[in-house]
Amino acid sequence: EPEVTQTPSHQVTQMGQEVILRCVPISNHLYFYWYRQILGQKVEFLVSFYNNEISEKSEIFDDQFSVERPDGSNFTLKIRSTKLEDSAMYFCASSTGGRETQYFGPGTRLLVL
Amino acid sequence: AQSVTQLDSQVPVFEEAPVELRCNYSSSVSVYLFWYVQYPNQGLQLLLKYLSGSTLVKGINGFEAEFNKSQTSFHLRKPSVHISDTAEYFCAVCHYQAGTALIFGKGTTLSVSS
Repeated sequence: EPEVTQTPSHQVTQMGQEVILRCVPISNHLYFYWYRQILGQKVEFLVSFYNNEISEKSEIFDDQFSVERPDGSNFTLKIRSTKLEDSAMYFCASSTGGRETQYFGPGTRLLVL
Repeated sequence: AQSVTQLDSQVPVFEEAPVELRCNYSSSVSVYLFWYVQYPNQGLQLLLKYLSGSTLVKGINGFEAEFNKSQTSFHLRKPSVHISDTAEYFCAVCHYQAGTALIFGKGTTLSVSS
């Protein structure tokens, strides 16, 4: 069964450094998402991406965040200058349509020191 | 604004007992409703969803949920749980007319013991 994959599974970085989290969505999916979950808190929506552009974003997704689909298979989340509060589990998801089931990857656990 | 409340953060239960995980949502418009499960060190997996039609929705692994519009609830039930059902369960809504973002509850940890 096809699945969403994410790399790396864990990443430790220093405050102020840039990180790129990578996701490979399911191959025939057209909508891509990033969510995050700070330890002990809710899973929160960050951004959705369709047709090579952001279709929706939350208040969390400020100028330090960016997303890109650099090729036909990868979907990346970049955090330009990490802060301590960016420490969280980051989930990628994809779906065939805007109202279709979102399939989630296993997540990347980011720790900012 | 939409929000999702999962009333129980932890639910301990013995194997083969029934279980209900509660979820209430607030929204002034129609929503889609979902339950996801997260097993340790894994991603979120869809258990079931309500889009329209019958208010009783059946999902994977013997789970079901009932949509109650008047009570704005979408409680998850299973008549007899197994040890393998131990996981984190998340209720989520999507206000489909406003976008595709899922709004999640804080999650309920179901712990099944023998």
